[in-house]
Amino acid sequence: AQTVTQSQPEMSVQEAETVTLSCTYDTSESDYYLFWYKQPPSRQMILVIRQEAYKQQNATENRFSVNFQKAAKSFSLKISDSQLGDAAMYFCAYRSAGRGGADGLTFGKGTHLIIQP
Amino acid sequence: NAGVMQNPRHLVRRRGQEARLRCSPMKGHSHVYWYRQLPEEGLKFMVYLQKENIIDESGMPKERFSAEFPKEGPSILRIQQVVRGDSAAYFCASSLGTDQETQYFGPGTRLLVL
Repeated sequence: AQTVTQSQPEMSVQEAETVTLSCTYDTSESDYYLFWYKQPPSRQMILVIRQEAYKQQNATENRFSVNFQKAAKSFSLKISDSQLGDAAMYFCAYRSAGRGGADGLTFGKGTHLIIQP
Repeated sequence: NAGVMQNPRHLVRRRGQEARLRCSPMKGHSHVYWYRQLPEEGLKFMVYLQKENIIDESGMPKERFSAEFPKEGPSILRIQQVVRGDSAAYFCASSLGTDQETQYFGPGTRLLVL
């Protein structure tokens, strides 16, 4: 079974600074997808970014980028120019590929990101 | 294009009652997933359904919990004889179902068992 570990229960960053959230995972599969989801106080789960394991290029979405290290099974999220609206719980998630489209996501326990004004 | 809809948003039940949680996937999505989030925890996969079929229920408790996704209408997660430990946020997600598709989440149902 796959596991996802987020070792930072809480992180704090000054507004406009850069912060990196860490995530490691354990799997014996070679093909899979990785995701970062954001959960603000409203509790809605919002997709931030996704990465296909077969792609060597790191995914980016505006101020959000990942550092995907497949051999190390590491998938960190970098948030540049942090904004107050980035304050939320951030969850790293894993999904197997090659099963006809669908599989349950395996989530880490989350990192609570605090933005200091 | 409306997102994933869940209702009710909040549900209060007394021990022993039944809870029914509903999920309408995004338009065009035929795959539905249910997750449970306990306080201070990440989401845990419960069940994956396609229309009229349960594909994977490996995360579903063996007793009292059931799920369906009928040909017409929303997906239903049903919890019979609720206990205090069932208090949690229950999230539904949907996807188109192709291998590369991302799961999009609804706003969740907060269940409180008194």
